[in-house]
Amino acid sequence: QKEVEQDPGPLSVPEGAIVSLNCTYSNSAFQYFMWYRQYSRKGPELLMYTYSSGNKEDGRFTAQVDKSSKYISLFIRDSQPSDSATYLCAMSPSNRDDKIIFGKGTRLHILP
Amino acid sequence: DAEITQSPRHKITETGRQVTLACHQTWNHNNMFWYRQDLGHGLRLIHYSYGVQDTNKGEVSDGYSVSRSNTEDLPLTLESAASSQTSVYFCASSEGTGTDTQYFGPGTRLTVL
Repeated sequence: QKEVEQDPGPLSVPEGAIVSLNCTYSNSAFQYFMWYRQYSRKGPELLMYTYSSGNKEDGRFTAQVDKSSKYISLFIRDSQPSDSATYLCAMSPSNRDDKIIFGKGTRLHILP
Repeated sequence: DAEITQSPRHKITETGRQVTLACHQTWNHNNMFWYRQDLGHGLRLIHYSYGVQDTNKGEVSDGYSVSRSNTEDLPLTLESAASSQTSVYFCASSEGTGTDTQYFGPGTRLTVL
C-alpha cells in the first residue's frame, strides 16, 4: 500500500458546484497536512496547511482532516473555471520540510 | 518582488552528458529543495539544503548532486544523464526549519535522449 493515495482523475464538474478532493494515507505518524494547487506548466503553490485533525477554512476552500480514518479532504465551494488545475495533497510526520510526502495529484476541470 | 527562478526552462541532452539546472531565489530563505515530478509518482525529493554549505540526500538522490555556496542558489547537477532522468524538475525554498510554506519555481523540463 502506498503511503499516500490520491485519485488522479480527471474530475469534471460544472461551474458553481461544490468540489470534493480526497486523499487517504497509511502512516499514522502524519501530523501535518497540506493541499497544493498546480496549474499546467507551473510549479505547485500552497493552498491550505493544517496540523492534526479538524477543519480549516479559507475563503471558498475548506480543508478537513480525519486522522482516525486516515483521510483528508479539500472542498471548493462555488467552483470557478480558474479553479481548473491539478490538486496535490501532501503530508508529513514532523515539521521538517524534507519529510513531506506528496500525493500524485487530482486533475480538476471546472466546466463553464 | 521576491521570487524563485529556474533555468533553463527546457533542456534536451544526450545520455552520458553532465547537465546543471540552476535555481535562484531572492527571498533570502535558508531552505532550498529539488524535486522531480513524473507521471504516476508525484513529487519526489532529490536533494535539499538547510543553509550555506549544508546539503542532504532525499528519496531519489542517485545520479544527482547539489552544492550550496550562497543563500540564493542551489544548482542541481546530473553527473552522467540517463534516460530515466527525463522529468520535470522543481526547485523550492522555505524560510525556516518548520513546515513553512514552500515556494516552488516554474520548473525545468529535461529530456535525456
